[in-house]
Amino acid sequence: KQEVTQIPAALSVPEGENLVLNCSFTDSAIYNLQWFRQDPGKGLTSLLLIQSSQREQTSGRLNASLDKSSGRSTLYIAASQPGDSATYLCAGEGNSGGYQKVTFGTGTKLQVIP
Amino acid sequence: DGGITQSPKYLFRKEGQNVTLSCEQNLNHDAMYWYRQDPGQGLRLIYYSQIVNDFQKGDIAEGYSVSREKKESFPLTVTSAQKNPTAFYLCASSITPGTQLTEAFFGQGTRLTVV
Repeated sequence: KQEVTQIPAALSVPEGENLVLNCSFTDSAIYNLQWFRQDPGKGLTSLLLIQSSQREQTSGRLNASLDKSSGRSTLYIAASQPGDSATYLCAGEGNSGGYQKVTFGTGTKLQVIP
Repeated sequence: DGGITQSPKYLFRKEGQNVTLSCEQNLNHDAMYWYRQDPGQGLRLIYYSQIVNDFQKGDIAEGYSVSREKKESFPLTVTSAQKNPTAFYLCASSITPGTQLTEAFFGQGTRLTVV
């Protein structure tokens, strides 16, 4: 059974810092990985999608990478801002028992302090 | 504007009651999904539908039921058989059946509380 661990569970940083969020899968055989942002009491917003042929994606101050050999992904946020405060979730899509399955991590709650 | 809409935002259920959560999308997506989110846990898949008039159980389907009579609608009923229904429920849709994460859009969620 695929399990996803996100470390740290919570993070508080001063504005302007660069930071890294981590996501690891017990089964490294994933072919799509996506990072989402969730604001309190809201749905998920897609940030970056790394598809099977890719190893990283960048959007503005965000960079996500995926090491398929180890089943680890990182989300790098440069020059953090108070508006980045939210919970960040990773989700991996892989083959489980012959069918496609998406497994979500438990999230990292980020607080950026002005 | 295209999007996915969940209603209501907050819902209260008495013990023994069935309640239905609404999910509507105007993105012309074939696939739709229902997830449950509990504190400290990742999202868990309840049901999904890849095409109209067809749906499949996810990991935690017991105590829930769905229908997919129209492409744009995928309502979720939380039945009295669901013993711990208090949670945040998220609906999602994607353009490509079978590949959930590609271009997936999420609704804003419904928070269900048992009173």
